[in-house]
Amino acid sequence: QKEVEQNSGPLSVPEGAIASLNCTYSDRVSQSFFWYRQYSGKSPELIMSIYSNGDKEDGRFTAQLNKASQYVSLLIRDSQPSDSATYLCAVIAYGSGNTGKLIFGQGTTLQVKP
Amino acid sequence: DGGITQSPKYLFRKEGQNVTLSCEQNLNHDAMYWYRQDPGQGLRLIYYSQIVNDFQKGDIAEGYSVSREKKESFPLTVTSAQKNPTAFYLCASRGPVRGAWGEQYFGPGTRLTVT
Repeated sequence: QKEVEQNSGPLSVPEGAIASLNCTYSDRVSQSFFWYRQYSGKSPELIMSIYSNGDKEDGRFTAQLNKASQYVSLLIRDSQPSDSATYLCAVIAYGSGNTGKLIFGQGTTLQVKP
Repeated sequence: DGGITQSPKYLFRKEGQNVTLSCEQNLNHDAMYWYRQDPGQGLRLIYYSQIVNDFQKGDIAEGYSVSREKKESFPLTVTSAQKNPTAFYLCASRGPVRGAWGEQYFGPGTRLTVT
């Protein structure tokens, strides 16, 4: 079983809709969770981090964490064509100590249709 | 203007040659990381360094070497021993630690092609 799993997509949503991206992880005691956005040919850009169960909102983005079910999700409200990108989920597993070693999923490609 | 720089943006080399990728940061971050990304895949950790003059192997260190002589710089050498060196190489540094774990920020990357 992969340590961090994402549906590769593509996930296609119309402009203005809510895009929902999901990520599951295998390490039950993982502590820190991150969402990165990566445009084609570019490097990943950190858009959200979440450490506690529940929701965290930042503008049009909401990260949701459920440690009991071992999933983290990213909601994008009022999706825009400029949100079309690959979204990478990353996790720091318990036992990494202070190394900050991230484990990445393969990413979900989002397409927002005008 | 704080950030992470990587050079060059594109690099072409012949098989059998060693090549060094540059990574510099002026964010005053202690920890730095090198990742490799292949088409359609996630990022895989090559090496990381938490402090000057110290570094550890990541998940795919074979065929690579690094140094960390200055806090700002973490160059990666891709040696001729690396079997499939063609990839997108990403350098990252870790920001202020919140609790025990901080956020990583990436440079623009170097796309290496070996023929």
